[in-house]
Amino acid sequence: EAGVTQSPTHLIKTRGQQATLRCSPISGHTSVYWYQQALGLGLQFLLWYDEGEERNRGNFPPRFSGRQFPNYSSELNVNALELEDSALYLCASSLLRQGPYEQYFGPGTRLTVT
Amino acid sequence: AQSVTQLDSHVSVSEGTPVLLRCNYSSSYSPSLFWYVQHPNKGLQLLLKYTSAATLVKGINGFEAEFKKSETSFHLTKPSAHMSDAAEYFCVVSEPAGNKLTFGGGTRVLVKP
Repeated sequence: EAGVTQSPTHLIKTRGQQATLRCSPISGHTSVYWYQQALGLGLQFLLWYDEGEERNRGNFPPRFSGRQFPNYSSELNVNALELEDSALYLCASSLLRQGPYEQYFGPGTRLTVT
Repeated sequence: AQSVTQLDSHVSVSEGTPVLLRCNYSSSYSPSLFWYVQHPNKGLQLLLKYTSAATLVKGINGFEAEFKKSETSFHLTKPSAHMSDAAEYFCVVSEPAGNKLTFGGGTRVLVKP
């Protein structure tokens, strides 16, 4: 069974630009989650999508947004990039109808903002 | 609100000796608890999960964790460390609907030959 996949592996952008990160969940999983792992800040919850809808978001500004497509894949967009957005962005998926709802993570996209 | 505290940011052990990673949690709900491992430049891998069915939980690679409600703890142990166990470990608590994970700060494990 294929795991969660993310693309690209690495992304280099300059301040003020926009970044788009992509995630494909495990087949059959309907929920996709995004996390930011920044140096010194640990892992922080960003967004949760389920069945195409945004269900919850963490304490991040609106320039962090995303969407979930009908095939359950997801996109994270970060607008007006700032230097502190440099981080590893992890995507996870789960099947909500099957407790205890463990999430399976992809390898991440490392975003560097210069 | 929920929170997780990993009591050690770094743990150093010799190969073949026991490993203990300490975790305390706070949750308004009956929690779901997990341990994840992250090897360098890799994503997170689920080690084990607490489902309220049994307080002693066995995971992959010889790891196990014990849920102690009275102490609000979920410590991770392994009887004998292997070089491949060198990684960062995260204790995680989940909201009841599973839609948001709260991570501890992580414990980096160094295994000495």
